Amino acid sequence: GDSVTQMEGPVTLSEEAFLTINCTYTATGYPSLFWYVQYPGEGLQLLLKATKADDKGSNKGFEATYRKETTSFHLEKGSVQVSDSAVYFCALSDKVTDKLIFGTGTRLQVFP
Amino acid sequence: DAGVTQSPTHLIKTRGQQVTLRCSPKSGHDTVSWYQQALGQGPQFIFQYYEEEERQRGNFPDRFSGHQFPNYSSELNVNALLLGDSALYLCASSSVRAGAYNEQFFGPGTRLTVL
Repeated sequence: GDSVTQMEGPVTLSEEAFLTINCTYTATGYPSLFWYVQYPGEGLQLLLKATKADDKGSNKGFEATYRKETTSFHLEKGSVQVSDSAVYFCALSDKVTDKLIFGTGTRLQVFP
Repeated sequence: DAGVTQSPTHLIKTRGQQVTLRCSPKSGHDTVSWYQQALGQGPQFIFQYYEEEERQRGNFPDRFSGHQFPNYSSELNVNALLLGDSALYLCASSSVRAGAYNEQFFGPGTRLTVL
């Protein structure tokens, strides 16, 4: 079945460092891809999305590009802030069912 | 505009008991999905309701059941609770009318602890 694999955490960075969180997927069709963020004690918030190959999703300085050839959707940010500390989930959605399939999450810790 | 709301925030039950969790979707949304998030894991899809019927279901036993009301709100029921049911239960709402991609908006979740 469809699945998502993302890098293990935690990822520990200093403020203003460059961030990459790797995500790869397995899917039979052409899914939509997402990054969600979960701050401590809260639910999930959609960070960005891409619905077809070569699309780039972006929001709040974060970016990810839908790479069909490598089945990847890596999350990047040029300069992280302490407030970016959270757990980040990569997910895919079958366009027919809308069911979301999540990776296990990657905790990001940013220190001043 | 209120987003997705869930109640209660926290719940403690003992093994064998039954529990009901509630969700009110975002205004204008007609579809509700439920997810279980175990500690340190990603959310797992339980089921989805649309027009008061279960539209699709994940790999969860029949102990997990749900309901959707005419006002689109939803309940998740879990019978014969097991220790392994301890998790954060997330509700997400979306709109079929939104078109090809139905973005799901998540509530803050209900933390269930089974002792």
